[in-house]
Amino acid sequence: AQKVTQAQTEISVVEKEDVTLDCVYETRDTTYYLFWYKQPPSGELVFLIRRNSFDEQNEISGRYSWNFQKSTSSFNFTITASQVVDSAVYFCALSEGNGGSQGNLIFGKGTKLSVKP
Amino acid sequence: DAGVTQSPTHLIKTRGQQVTLRCSPKSGHDTVSWYQQALGQGPQFIFQYYEEEERQRGNFPDRFSGHQFPNYSSELNVNALLLGDSALYLCASSTKRLRGNQPQHFGDGTRLSIL
Repeated sequence: AQKVTQAQTEISVVEKEDVTLDCVYETRDTTYYLFWYKQPPSGELVFLIRRNSFDEQNEISGRYSWNFQKSTSSFNFTITASQVVDSAVYFCALSEGNGGSQGNLIFGKGTKLSVKP
Repeated sequence: DAGVTQSPTHLIKTRGQQVTLRCSPKSGHDTVSWYQQALGQGPQFIFQYYEEEERQRGNFPDRFSGHQFPNYSSELNVNALLLGDSALYLCASSTKRLRGNQPQHFGDGTRLSIL
């Protein structure tokens, strides 16, 4: 069965602190994709990153970085020097499927991040 | 470049009624997926449409049905509404023209309240 677990329900930090959001996934497929989405209060899910199961390179984009470890089935997300605008609910998601097909997204329950000034 | 647009923004219905939600995909996208997001939960996959056919379906009853039009836009229909159908309904679009599972782009959603 496919499953995404985000154990942290809510996290509160003070501006400029670093914060890591955890994501653990379960799948039997050897080919799969992992995603992170941000959901501000407006409701729209904003795509942040996609990673396929064959690419374990960590990625950095500005203040955001992602650590993908197949050995522990984890895909953690770190925000460096957090800002108030980072406050949102963050979702980790899993999609199974091979090239050309588009699997549905299986979401975790989300982590609500509050960044206080 | 217009993103995914959904209408209406909010909707209030009573139990037993029927509702239709609409979605226009992002320009260049040909695949539309629908998700239900209950309060405090992650989105749950309802179904996906491609080439005007339902291609995948999540664990939702037949009361949930959909349609995709030749211009790739889509509708979600829910019959015999239940209180538990109250949720944010999200539409997402993507394309199968590129290899790999391309990111799905989401609209702002329709907030459905059942009284």
